[in-house]
Amino acid sequence: NAGVMQNPRHLVRRRGQEARLRCSPMKGHSHVYWYRQLPEEGLKFMVYLQKENIIDESGMPKERFSAEFPKEGPSILRIQQVVRGDSAAYFCASSPGQADSGANVLTFGAGSRLTVL
Amino acid sequence: QKEVEQNSGPLSVPEGAIASLNCTYSDRVSQSFFWYRQYSGKSPELIMSIYSNGDKEDGRFTAQLNKASQYVSLLIRDSQPSDSATYLCAVSDSSASKIIFGSGTRLSIRP
Repeated sequence: NAGVMQNPRHLVRRRGQEARLRCSPMKGHSHVYWYRQLPEEGLKFMVYLQKENIIDESGMPKERFSAEFPKEGPSILRIQQVVRGDSAAYFCASSPGQADSGANVLTFGAGSRLTVL
Repeated sequence: QKEVEQNSGPLSVPEGAIASLNCTYSDRVSQSFFWYRQYSGKSPELIMSIYSNGDKEDGRFTAQLNKASQYVSLLIRDSQPSDSATYLCAVSDSSASKIIFGSGTRLSIRP
């Protein structure tokens, strides 16, 4: 049971480049969440997705950020034209999403740490 | 008003004592409540989930929920140095879609 897999673990980009972060949920989980964490701060909700469907993207910046969870393959968080303020740890979490009490218990991946030079 | 509020700490507790962590939330119809632990440089890991008023115990950990007061707490009995971490309170919103986290409380257990 591999758990939630995120890659890359560390990513360095120069200002203006694109960053793509990938997340494969736990086996049997159909829901994916993305969070951003700045040093010494809490987790900020960004987006919640099911396969081929964005459920809630209220935490996503209006520009440069997008997320998808295709029918096949991992969920991808894409940041275009990165700026220094995008430097953070980006955590993906997955949940079963079934209609029971454990539906929204999150299991986190190890995170992807983005550094923008 | 923040949706989920925690005292940032640090909270310093002697080894063997009880550590008490508190959290308040603003959405009165929130349904699910969680405590996660995060070690420095690591990802959050679930400690407890609680869905109904009252206490829920799991080993040295007890979660307490009071929906009328919009308050959830975590008690850690017989605190160990390995309990030193940041504890994150998380709450589902009224639509039960997104999970909102507080900013965390840093706990330090002193030997």
